[in-house]
Amino acid sequence: QSALTQPASVSGSPGQSLTISCTGSSRDVGSYNLVSWYQHNPGKAPKLIIYDVTKRPSGVSARFSGFKSGNTASLTISGLQAEDEADYYCCSYGGGSTYVFGTGTKVTVL
Amino acid sequence: EVDLVESGGGLIQPGGSLRLSCVASGLTFSNYYMYWVRQIPGEALLSVARVNGDGSATVYSDSVQGRFTISRDNAKNTLYLQMDSLRVEDTATYYCAGETYFKFDYWGQGVLVTVSS
Repeated sequence: QSALTQPASVSGSPGQSLTISCTGSSRDVGSYNLVSWYQHNPGKAPKLIIYDVTKRPSGVSARFSGFKSGNTASLTISGLQAEDEADYYCCSYGGGSTYVFGTGTKVTVL
Repeated sequence: EVDLVESGGGLIQPGGSLRLSCVASGLTFSNYYMYWVRQIPGEALLSVARVNGDGSATVYSDSVQGRFTISRDNAKNTLYLQMDSLRVEDTATYYCAGETYFKFDYWGQGVLVTVSS
């Protein structure tokens, strides 16, 4: 399976909203509502922030939200804060006990 | 607080072997399918191996099938990855991750494996 496609980088000013896209195929994102998103600060453990396309784990800020349409999922960060600066990865179940991850997006807070 | 701590990485020559370990705390380890996920700089994360909760079933990516072996010791809350016949292209940061219900709930900080002569 091919990796999910994400923009390499996105940026925004504090308080703004930004959206990261994650494009897959009908074999993964398009077939399952099992997309998750992870926030990763290099040198630290990745953190689950969205699962099942739209759900947030306990303790994750409501400023993070997820959406899916067809073969593309997206993560929106509202009210951007300096602490949101990190790398973000999407992941989709691909059937047959397989998962496919995105190429990763670096978020910069200007 | 849940913590996954990897160890065992380092510099190894092509054809060599390494064993990675991941010690888990703060969670019921046996409830989680455990994965090794690797990240090669500039590339997407890749799940290379998975083991089910009791260690009876494993799945590998094509790129490591036949060379890597994943295992777990639930009594020690520890996950392992035995890596044999290492290749230059196995150079990556390796993360252990625990999965339930189609999401990776917890991850370690990663351990660097460098395969080079």
